[in-house]
Amino acid sequence: GENVEQHPSTLSVQEGDSAVIKCTYSDSASNYFPWYKQELGKRPQLIIDIRSNVGEKKDQRIAVTLNKTAKHFSLHITETQPEDSAVYFCALNPGANNLFFGTGTRLTVIP
Amino acid sequence: DAGVTQSPTHLIKTRGQQVTLRCSPKSGHDTVSWYQQALGQGPQFIFQYYEEEERQRGNFPDRFSGHQFPNYSSELNVNALLLGDSALYLCASSSLSWTGELFFGEGSRLTVL
Repeated sequence: GENVEQHPSTLSVQEGDSAVIKCTYSDSASNYFPWYKQELGKRPQLIIDIRSNVGEKKDQRIAVTLNKTAKHFSLHITETQPEDSAVYFCALNPGANNLFFGTGTRLTVIP
Repeated sequence: DAGVTQSPTHLIKTRGQQVTLRCSPKSGHDTVSWYQQALGQGPQFIFQYYEEEERQRGNFPDRFSGHQFPNYSSELNVNALLLGDSALYLCASSSLSWTGELFFGEGSRLTVL
């Protein structure tokens, strides 16, 4: 079955520094790897995603890298800002139209 | 364009009771998935409905059941509530021609006492 390990579970960075969150998985059928951001009391929202035919994707301060051989993908946030503080979830699609989520990383950006 | 709407937003039940949660998908979406998010955890897939039928199911007992209506809205029913059913229940909609993104509602927070 699916298994996604997400690390770290909590992460504190100074404003302006970079943050990196990593997920490793075991299911080889997955071909879609999104990252969701969930602010306190809010719904999860997609912030960036990557498909298996691409190794890296960037969107302004956010980037995602994928290593299918090693079965891990990472979220990179540069020049962090206080509004980046939230819980971030990696996810993958186990060969079906649904998502399997990691356990989350609580990111705190210290002003 | 309304996004995914869920009701109620909060509710409190006691052990053994039954609960029904409701979801209206985003306009243009025909597929509804339900997730359970326990405190401090990631969303866990319960099941998915398309064309009024359950297409996929996660590792949840039969106490969890659902329904989809012709207008694509959906209900999640949980019978014989346990304390461990306390969680945020998220509805997510998508279309069968799935591009990948799931659109979540704000959730229904269930507390079982």
